[in-house]
Amino acid sequence: GQNIDQPTEMTATEGAIVQINCTYQTSGFNGLFWYQQHAGEAPTFLSYNVLDGLEEKGRFSSFLSRSKGYSYLLLKELQMKDSASYLCAVTDSNYQLIWGAGTKLIIKP
Amino acid sequence: GAVVSQHPSRVICKSGTSVKIECRSLDFQATTMFWYRQFPKQSLMLMATSNEGSKATYEQGVEKDKFLINHASLTLSTLTVTSAHPEDSSFYICSATRGTSGGGANVLTFGAGSRLTVL
Repeated sequence: GQNIDQPTEMTATEGAIVQINCTYQTSGFNGLFWYQQHAGEAPTFLSYNVLDGLEEKGRFSSFLSRSKGYSYLLLKELQMKDSASYLCAVTDSNYQLIWGAGTKLIIKP
Repeated sequence: GAVVSQHPSRVICKSGTSVKIECRSLDFQATTMFWYRQFPKQSLMLMATSNEGSKATYEQGVEKDKFLINHASLTLSTLTVTSAHPEDSSFYICSATRGTSGGGANVLTFGAGSRLTVL
């Protein structure tokens, strides 16, 4: 079956760096997305990786290793507003989007 | 940028009534829209894929007669929860894609979601 694993919850300190990991086993691969979802709101797009390597976008970076079925989202200079759930999603060979359960990130002062 | 409007944001209804939720792509044409539901502290669950001018494709376990989806135009899809019951109370979210973006990603733009409470 298809599966995406990410930690349920993480805690980090304001101003610090946090890395949220995502591993996947899917039938084929056509890209990996990271979305941010604040409580009670709809998800918003953060990043997209289809080739191996690191994509940097401001304070957020996303890394992909297709051979390892692994990605991470790196958040730098954490701010209180970064407290949210971070969803990893993979597009499989049929271009179906498979969603992870999300990682709830708690930022403490 | 791409904007998706979803209405209503909150709705409270009595058990047995039907509720319609609208999803509109405001500045782009969306041949495909997606409907999700999300229970508290759980991930998104895809309910159905809505294609303009054709019948929606429902995920396994989702009752198509209960969750009626209509995609009448390239900018509007509707989800009707028929004969709603308390267990249908959930956060319903639509999304649409405007196609490839830069490196070939079909980035989803989400509506703000509709919180349904069935009494």
